[in-house]
Amino acid sequence: AQSVTQLGSHVSVSEGALVLLRCNYSSSVPPYLFWYVQYPNQGLQLLLKYTSAATLVKGINGFEAEFKKSETSFHLTKPSAHMSDAAEYFCAVSDRAGGYNKLIFGAGTRLAVHP
Amino acid sequence: DTAVSQTPKYLVTQMGNDKSIKCEQNLGHDTMYWYKQDSKKFLKIMFSYNNKELIINETVPNRFSPKSPDKAHLNLHINSLELGDSAVYFCASSQDDRGRDEQFFGPGTRLTVL
Repeated sequence: AQSVTQLGSHVSVSEGALVLLRCNYSSSVPPYLFWYVQYPNQGLQLLLKYTSAATLVKGINGFEAEFKKSETSFHLTKPSAHMSDAAEYFCAVSDRAGGYNKLIFGAGTRLAVHP
Repeated sequence: DTAVSQTPKYLVTQMGNDKSIKCEQNLGHDTMYWYKQDSKKFLKIMFSYNNKELIINETVPNRFSPKSPDKAHLNLHINSLELGDSAVYFCASSQDDRGRDEQFFGPGTRLTVL
């Protein structure tokens, strides 16, 4: 069965510093991978997705992620953190077992950005 | 113009009551979902409908009953509410159910059972 592990439930960075949020997946089939962001009291918004095209995926708000099959990883990065990036970030894998899609989410990583 | 909307946004009720949450999407998508987010922010799928047909039914108590009157609506009815049902419930939709497409999420309904 597919699964997702996000290392670090809380990450704190300074404004302007590199953001690195880690995600490792387990999948019995070539995975479809997603990063979603959740701002306080809001729904989830897609940052980016990997669906077997280019391994380096660029998303919104300056975020990008690299799919590494050998490491079963899909880490999210942003070169320079902004205060507005403070939010909860979820990595997800599409579980296509049984022919129907469902998203399997990691436990989330809360990103704090301090001045 | 809201893509996926849910009502109500907040729901506070007593144990044992029955309540419903409504979801509507105006994206023309074929597939809709219900997710539950617990107090630790963990998200888990509950149900999925494709063209009004139930296609995913996770291990959810049968007190939870989804209903899809048409492709644009997916409602969630909960009978005999329990304390453990307190959570944020998210509705979502996607163009298809094959896994490549982004899921669009509603703003969530925070259910508090007293």
